[in-house]
Amino acid sequence: IAGITQAPTSQILAAGRRMTLRCTQDMRHNAMYWYRQDLGLGLRLIHYSNTAGTTGKGEVPDGYSVSRANTDDFHLTLASAVPSQTSVYFCASSDSSGGGTDTQYFGPGTRLTVL
Amino acid sequence: GQNIDQPTEMTATEGAIVQINCTYQTSGFNGLFWYQQHAGEAPTFLSYNVLDGLEEKGRFSSFLSRSKGYSYLLLKELQMKDSASYLCAVRDSNYQLIWGAGTKLIIKP
Repeated sequence: IAGITQAPTSQILAAGRRMTLRCTQDMRHNAMYWYRQDLGLGLRLIHYSNTAGTTGKGEVPDGYSVSRANTDDFHLTLASAVPSQTSVYFCASSDSSGGGTDTQYFGPGTRLTVL
Repeated sequence: GQNIDQPTEMTATEGAIVQINCTYQTSGFNGLFWYQQHAGEAPTFLSYNVLDGLEEKGRFSSFLSRSKGYSYLLLKELQMKDSASYLCAVRDSNYQLIWGAGTKLIIKP
């Protein structure tokens, strides 16, 4: 693995179904993030995690939950998908341990369509 | 509220210079980032400014004026591969990134 990977690459999902988007990084970054990107809007933060075992809510957390069991993995779950959750989802990570710019690096994204 | 403004779309000619502006109003300031995003791909980091002035990195430069809430990204010697969206993001007082909607740059031969 080099950098950040996300799975699946794309998914079509029926409304009401449960879905987990997976994210794994091999850079040993302490902080990880989930964003959604919609046409005409900036990236919007859904949830974040500053360290393994802790999570926080971003700008648009409703309908989503996350888990961060270890440093490498940060997964996003839609408990009951709705069409408004159709979007491109990006996972990112950064080294926020201090002394650097805390630049965020992004995974390739998951394109999710909820019908 | 917090706001990042960028032009929606710009067009430039191969070999020329283009300046993409970004203005921001955020609760606090802890740095400004520029990212490049090709269609269908992930954003990739270009530059970071936290102090006023110009940061140069090859063909790309980024400028910041904190007192004016203003930044620009300058791209020189444009190449066709520079056709992409350019995203401006500001880290606020909560240490979260606030993102602009991006500027789609179209390069014509």
